[in-house]
Amino acid sequence: NAGVTQTPKFRILKIGQSMTLQCTQDMNHNYMYWYRQDPGMGLKLIYYSVGAGITDKGEVPNGYNVSRSTTEDFPLRLELAAPSQTSVYFCASSYNQDRGAEQYFGPGTRLTVT
Amino acid sequence: GDSVTQMEGPVTLSEEAFLTINCTYTATGYPSLFWYVQYPGEGLQLLLKATKADDKGSNKGFEATYRKETTSFHLEKGSVQVSDSAVYFCALSYTGGFKTIFGAGTRLFVKA
Repeated sequence: NAGVTQTPKFRILKIGQSMTLQCTQDMNHNYMYWYRQDPGMGLKLIYYSVGAGITDKGEVPNGYNVSRSTTEDFPLRLELAAPSQTSVYFCASSYNQDRGAEQYFGPGTRLTVT
Repeated sequence: GDSVTQMEGPVTLSEEAFLTINCTYTATGYPSLFWYVQYPGEGLQLLLKATKADDKGSNKGFEATYRKETTSFHLEKGSVQVSDSAVYFCALSYTGGFKTIFGAGTRLFVKA
């Protein structure tokens, strides 16, 4: 199993450009998440999904959109990129939300907006 | 609201030294507690967890005990190795909840 994969690994965007961060998992997990990690800060939840066709906002959803058309894929869309969106983005998945459920993380995408 | 506070890093140790990374939490309910580790260039991976008070999680020589009376979940290892150099995150989550709260992370450097 590849686990959780993310593309691209690195990206530089100009202010106002758009892009999609790709995330795929091959563990048949229902639950998927997008986080951002800013320097010296913990991870902040952007969006999450409990299954194909179902998504909901996390703590910091502004400026982002998601979709979940299949169990495997959970892309994150940035519209009109801003410098405040410079961060490292992690996709994660989990089998369920039972007590102690582990999240599995992808390797991250480092995004710079200039 | 719920929160997780970790000791600030970086923590620099020599190989075979004893490691403690402090983690305290504020919780409105009875969460599960986790330590995740992030090696350079990689995503986070679960190191250990504890799901109720007085439980001890352990893995790869690391240990942490869920202390409800002191709201703490300190990470310890008796003898660190260079390969333990990484960022360590303390976190909490609730059953059925979709929000995992992470601490800011503590960077550990181990010198040979």
